[in-house]
Amino acid sequence: KAGVTQTPRYLIKTRGQQVTLSCSPISGHRSVSWYQQTPGQGLQFLFEYFSETQRNKGNFPGRFSGRQFSNSRSEMNVSTLELGDSALYLCASRDSVYEKLFFGSGTQLSVL
Amino acid sequence: KQEVTQIPAALSVPEGENLVLNCSFTDSAIYNLQWFRQDPGKGLTSLLLIQSSQREQTSGRLNASLDKSSGRSTLYIAASQPGDSATYLCAVTDFGNEKLTFGTGTRLTIIP
Repeated sequence: KAGVTQTPRYLIKTRGQQVTLSCSPISGHRSVSWYQQTPGQGLQFLFEYFSETQRNKGNFPGRFSGRQFSNSRSEMNVSTLELGDSALYLCASRDSVYEKLFFGSGTQLSVL
Repeated sequence: KQEVTQIPAALSVPEGENLVLNCSFTDSAIYNLQWFRQDPGKGLTSLLLIQSSQREQTSGRLNASLDKSSGRSTLYIAASQPGDSATYLCAVTDFGNEKLTFGTGTRLTIIP
């Protein structure tokens, strides 16, 4: 099986712009979750989607949003980018809470 | 609110030694605990998953234990190798909201 695929791998944006990140989960996995990783805050949970429904949300402002499509692929959108949004954004998939979580390689976002 | 702590933040040991990494969590109402490794600039690789009803899991040179009542888990690495150098993170899946809470990680360096 192919692993979790995230695109793009690197992204450079300027303050005020918006960005969309994409994630394709492992085939058959219905749950997709997103995490932000920074040197200062570590890994922080953004949100989780299961069968196109947002099931959980972390403590991030409304500028961070996501969605999941019927084929389980997910997108994450950040509007009005701020310098502090520079981070590695990781997507992960699994089929149930009792199973391992599999991560993609991430999208490194730099906001200038 | 679940909090996950990993001590020490960094560890250096000579090649061939056995070592133990520690993880503690504050809320014992969990589905499971997972150990991951992360290489610089990369995503996370799942190593071991322990369900809340289990005491330990083994994979090759790795052994993870879970003591839910005391809120602790350990990852034991036998006969360490330079290729084991990475950051090791533990994460718990909280019962009820199903999101993962990560520790801040232990950066492991194996000295040849």
